[in-house]
Amino acid sequence: AAGVIQSPRHLIKEKRETATLKCYPIPRHDTVYWYQQGPGQDPQFLISFYEKMQSDKGSIPDRFSAQQFSDYHSELNMSSLELGDSALYFCASSSNRALDTFGSGTRLTVV
Amino acid sequence: AQSVAQPEDQVNVAEGNPLTVKCTYSVSGNPYLFWYVQYPNRGLQFLLKYITGDNLVKGSYGFEAEFNKSQTSFHLKKPSALVSDSALYFCAVRALTGGGNKLTFGTGTQLKVEL
Repeated sequence: AAGVIQSPRHLIKEKRETATLKCYPIPRHDTVYWYQQGPGQDPQFLISFYEKMQSDKGSIPDRFSAQQFSDYHSELNMSSLELGDSALYFCASSSNRALDTFGSGTRLTVV
Repeated sequence: AQSVAQPEDQVNVAEGNPLTVKCTYSVSGNPYLFWYVQYPNRGLQFLLKYITGDNLVKGSYGFEAEFNKSQTSFHLKKPSALVSDSALYFCAVRALTGGGNKLTFGTGTQLKVEL
């Protein structure tokens, strides 16, 4: 069965650079969520989209932005990267509130 | 606001013994409750969920969890642990209605199953 696809799997950026993370949800899933998991931390909700509109917002820095496109894939754009942005970024998709399927994540390392 | 507490950072159990990983939650109204497992450098893998109905839910790999509304708990259990169950386990909650869409996770419990 198709899963949530995230790209790239790994990304190394320097401070102050920008990064774009991509998420391809499961077909016919209308909701996408982004989470950030710092080292040894639990996943923290960043932002979500329902039918291409932002539906909820968590602790997402102003340096980050996200959108969901007409084909339902989503991108998380991160600018002016800081060392503290180094984390595992998960995308999840859902067709209802009853089950979220997570991607394998993008590991971002800021050096 | 919704929250999840996993009081144990680590649980150690011998292979073949039963295991319990504890979780309590706080949410307005009725909850959706989930357990996810994470292996090193891997994504979050769904184990089981409680939405409504029978308080005892069965999930993947022989895991089960019991929803206790009065104690606001959703402890994860397995009758006989395997070494391969060693991983990081997260409990998560979402409000049934309202409260936004987000999942709120506990801080995770590292399960170590030893021979």
